[in-house]
Amino acid sequence: GQNIDQPTEMTATEGAIVQINCTYQTSGFNGLFWYQQHAGEAPTFLSYNVLDGLEEKGRFSSFLSRSKGYSYLLLKELQMKDSASYLCAVRDLGQTGANNLFFGTGTRLTVIP
Amino acid sequence: GAGVSQSPRYKVAKRGQDVALRCDPISGHVSLFWYQQALGQGPEFLTYFQNEAQLDKSGLPSDRFFAERPEGSVSTLKIQRTQQEDSAVYLCASSSSGTSDSDTQYFGPGTRLTVL
Repeated sequence: GQNIDQPTEMTATEGAIVQINCTYQTSGFNGLFWYQQHAGEAPTFLSYNVLDGLEEKGRFSSFLSRSKGYSYLLLKELQMKDSASYLCAVRDLGQTGANNLFFGTGTRLTVIP
Repeated sequence: GAGVSQSPRYKVAKRGQDVALRCDPISGHVSLFWYQQALGQGPEFLTYFQNEAQLDKSGLPSDRFFAERPEGSVSTLKIQRTQQEDSAVYLCASSSSGTSDSDTQYFGPGTRLTVL
């Protein structure tokens, strides 16, 4: 099966940097995704890592270490609109070969002035 | 332009009623996924289609749940004899192929189902 852990809640200040960690255990790892989800809205794609290292995309960066089963999402220059839930999802080929995603519970980030 | 759309956005059902939830994926996307998201939780996989073929239904919680995609585009998730524990947001996602390593799933806004 899959086991994906991330903190439930975090609070950070506008303009600051915040790091959201995710650890996972999975048998058929085939990539890790980060999604942002505002309350009552669809998850929106932020980043994808399949090889070790850092992927940078504007104010958002994501890091992966496959040997440690660990990823983080780094948000820089926080803005109030970044207040949302951040979902870590692991793609596991599993037994059917389908690219199913398995999600953590999400980290609810609150940005304060 | 379109992204993934779902209807209805909100559905209230009495316990025991049947409901049908619709998903319109991004045009041309081969793969379609259904997820269930309980309040305060991450989405949980229900079922997966590649074109019209349902390749994985291992996440469907009971035989009251049934999904179809007869022409390989629009999909319907049907829940028979709804129970209170079925109350959740049902998310649909599509991806262009479902087989590429970098394939990204794009989500619809979801249908919030409340069973009274």
